Amino acid sequence: AQKITQTQPGMFVQEKEAVTLDCTYDTSDPSYGLFWYKQPSSGEMIFLIYQGSYDQQNATEGRYSLNFQKARKSANLVISASQLGDSAMYFCAMRGPERALTFGSGTRLQVQP
Amino acid sequence: DGGITQSPKYLFRKEGQNVTLSCEQNLNHDAMYWYRQDPGQGLRLIYYSQIVNDFQKGDIAEGYSVSREKKESFPLTVTSAQKNPTAFYLCASSKGGGRTDTQYFGPGTRLTVL
Repeated sequence: AQKITQTQPGMFVQEKEAVTLDCTYDTSDPSYGLFWYKQPSSGEMIFLIYQGSYDQQNATEGRYSLNFQKARKSANLVISASQLGDSAMYFCAMRGPERALTFGSGTRLQVQP
Repeated sequence: DGGITQSPKYLFRKEGQNVTLSCEQNLNHDAMYWYRQDPGQGLRLIYYSQIVNDFQKGDIAEGYSVSREKKESFPLTVTSAQKNPTAFYLCASSKGGGRTDTQYFGPGTRLTVL
């Protein structure tokens, strides 16, 4: 069975600073995908970034990067130069042989001016 | 514009009633999914469908039913057998069912039982 753990219920960051949101995972499958989603107060889940288990390089998408440490089974999201619009819930998710996504419990990020 | 639409945005149901939540996508995706989100929690899978006329139960399928008669549509019925249906329901789709296929989500339906 797959499991995603996000240990930070809430995080604060100053505008323009970088922030790291933690995610650890557990799976016995050697092939899997890791995803991060952003959920603003409107409720829609917005895809941010993807990392494959066999990818050699850490994924990057604009201000988002994924710090993938396979041996430690961690896939932390790094947001650089935080903006007020980054305030939202952030979910880490994994996709394995079960095909659907397994989600963590989320981290609420608040960006302060 | 391609995307996923869900309707209605808000839905109120009386005890003992069945209600159907709509999900439509024009992304030409083969796979579609229904998730449930309770306050302060992550998403849990209700049902998913990899192709037309085929679907599988997820982790919390009891009290729910689905159909997949068209590639574009994957409606979810919340039946009276669902003991605690008040929640936020999200529909998603992906090009395929592989591990690298990204799931994209609709705006969600908030269901409240009166």
